[in-house]
Amino acid sequence: AQKITQTQPGMFVQEKEAVTLDCTYDTSDQSYGLFWYKQPSSGEMIFLIYQGSYDEQNATEGRYSLNFQKARKSANLVISASQLGDSAMYFCAMRGRGAQKLVFGQGTRLTINP
Amino acid sequence: DAMVIQNPRYQVTQFGKPVTLSCSQTLNHNVMYWYQQKSSQAPKLLFHYYDKDFNNEADTPDNFQSRRPNTSFCFLDIRSPGLGDAAMYLCATSRPPTANTEAFFGQGTRLTVV
Repeated sequence: AQKITQTQPGMFVQEKEAVTLDCTYDTSDQSYGLFWYKQPSSGEMIFLIYQGSYDEQNATEGRYSLNFQKARKSANLVISASQLGDSAMYFCAMRGRGAQKLVFGQGTRLTINP
Repeated sequence: DAMVIQNPRYQVTQFGKPVTLSCSQTLNHNVMYWYQQKSSQAPKLLFHYYDKDFNNEADTPDNFQSRRPNTSFCFLDIRSPGLGDAAMYLCATSRPPTANTEAFFGQGTRLTVV
């Protein structure tokens, strides 16, 4: 079974600062994928970034990067130069090889202050 | 644009009155999921279809049913909604799941039970 842990219920950051959202995971699979989603107050889940367990380089997508430390089983999301529109819930999720479902963490509510 | 569409965005139903939520997709994905998300919680998978094969989560109440008449459409039926069923319901799709397959979400239906 897979398990995702997000230990930060809420984060408050000043606009233009970088922010790191923590995610640790547990799985017995050798091959797995890690995902981050953003959920604004409107409700839709927006896919941000993906990291494969065999990827040697950390994933990056624009202002988003994933700090992947496989030995520590962590996959932290880094948002550079935060913007007011980044205020939302952020969910870390994973899928094991052949697994048909995504398992989500409890989420972190990020608030960007002007 | 190809997408996942949920109707309605907001649904109010009476306690005990059957209600149906709908989801359609233009992505031609094999897999369609229904998640329940209560306030400030992680999405919880209710069930999913892989093509026509229905997969129910072990802890999904019998009160929740689903239909998938074709590739594009999937319905969530709540036979006798209780106050505890008030939540956001998220539909998602994906290609045949491998470790690197992300899920694409609709905007959700927020269900209120009165």
